[in-house]
Amino acid sequence: KAGVTQTPRYLIKTRGQQVTLSCSPISGHRSVSWYQQTPGQGLQFLFEYFSETQRNKGNFPGRFSGRQFSNSRSEMNVSTLELGDSALYLCASSLQGTTDTQYFGPGTRLTVL
Amino acid sequence: GDSVTQMEGPVTLSEEAFLTINCTYTATGYPSLFWYVQYPGEGLQLLLKATKADDKGSNKGFEATYRKETTSFHLEKGSVQVSDSAVYFCALSHGSGNTGKLIFGQGTTLQVKP
Repeated sequence: KAGVTQTPRYLIKTRGQQVTLSCSPISGHRSVSWYQQTPGQGLQFLFEYFSETQRNKGNFPGRFSGRQFSNSRSEMNVSTLELGDSALYLCASSLQGTTDTQYFGPGTRLTVL
Repeated sequence: GDSVTQMEGPVTLSEEAFLTINCTYTATGYPSLFWYVQYPGEGLQLLLKATKADDKGSNKGFEATYRKETTSFHLEKGSVQVSDSAVYFCALSHGSGNTGKLIFGQGTTLQVKP
């Protein structure tokens, strides 16, 4: 079974731009969660989608948004980028998203200049 | 709110030494507990998990026991290898009303020297 894939792996943007990251979950998994990893704040939960609906959201500003498609693939968007948005963005998928095991992708490294 | 606390790193050990990485948690009810490992430049890989009190998770020589009475989930390995060098994260998942969210500790860096 193929694992979780994320594209692109690396991105360089400038302040004020917007960016879209993509995540393809493991086949059969319906829940996709997104996390931000930074050296200072560690791993922080952004949001979770299940059957195209956002079920849970972390404490991030509205510039961070996401969506999920009918094939469970998910995208997250960050608008009006700030220097502090530089991070590794990780996507994880699970069957139902409750206490199921989450399987992580390799991440997208976003650098904001 | 729920939280996870791990011992500060980095932890530096010689090959074949015994490893313990402490993890304690604060949560209502009965969360599921996980250990994830992150190798340089990669995402997180599940190492082991336990879903109820007194469960022992084990994988690749690592093990951890879910201790409800001490709210702990310490990671142990009897003999570490250089290839175990990585960052280890303890995490909890509390499904009820909190779907898809893992709460992570700050991570513990392990360096194993030959």
